[in-house]
Amino acid sequence: EVKLQQSGDELVRPGASVKMSCKASGYTFTDYAMHWVKQSPGQGLEWIGTIIPLIDTTSYNQKFKGKATLTADKSSNTAYMELSRLTSEDSAVYYCARDSGYEDYWGQGVMVTVSS
Amino acid sequence: DIQMTQSPASLSASLGETVTIECRASEDIYSNLAWYQQKPGNSPQLLIYDANSLADGVPSRFSGSGSGTQYSLKINSLQSEDVASYFCQQYNNYRTFGGGTKLELK
Repeated sequence: EVKLQQSGDELVRPGASVKMSCKASGYTFTDYAMHWVKQSPGQGLEWIGTIIPLIDTTSYNQKFKGKATLTADKSSNTAYMELSRLTSEDSAVYYCARDSGYEDYWGQGVMVTVSS
Repeated sequence: DIQMTQSPASLSASLGETVTIECRASEDIYSNLAWYQQKPGNSPQLLIYDANSLADGVPSRFSGSGSGTQYSLKINSLQSEDVASYFCQQYNNYRTFGGGTKLELK
């Protein structure tokens, strides 16, 4: 069974950074790219970027360049996303999703709340 | 960047009714289009890919159609469990999502 298990919800201070994880199981991690998607409260979905774990290649939505950094650890089948210099605009739920050409499996999401 | 315009933003329908949601791309996306269903508090779930292919386990009352820049999702015989938000997504060039449609029961 394919599963993407994301790390827990985060409460972070403005200006800080947060790093979240997405642990894949039930398939060969290096066979698929991984996408990250943002969903602001009551809003739609925004594509942040993608990483190809096999070759550690990343692509980013221009809007999130400098904000998000995607990495992957092949030894633990885990993808990571770090968000930096957090503001209230970054408060949202963040999803990882497996790329089969389209996104066929999604993690449960990480809620990030930026507050002092 | 490819823009995706989805309509309507909200929709109220009765049980058993047929509903249609539209999505327009700013350029030809060659049927590289998916539809997702998202229920409150849950992750998006894949319904349709390649514009008209039903994902595994999705009821046959859901169907997708379209080509070029115009696509639609149809739900036949609306059920109570279909109350959700629906999003289209293009994957022809990176990823872009439509703004979503919130479907409620009348």
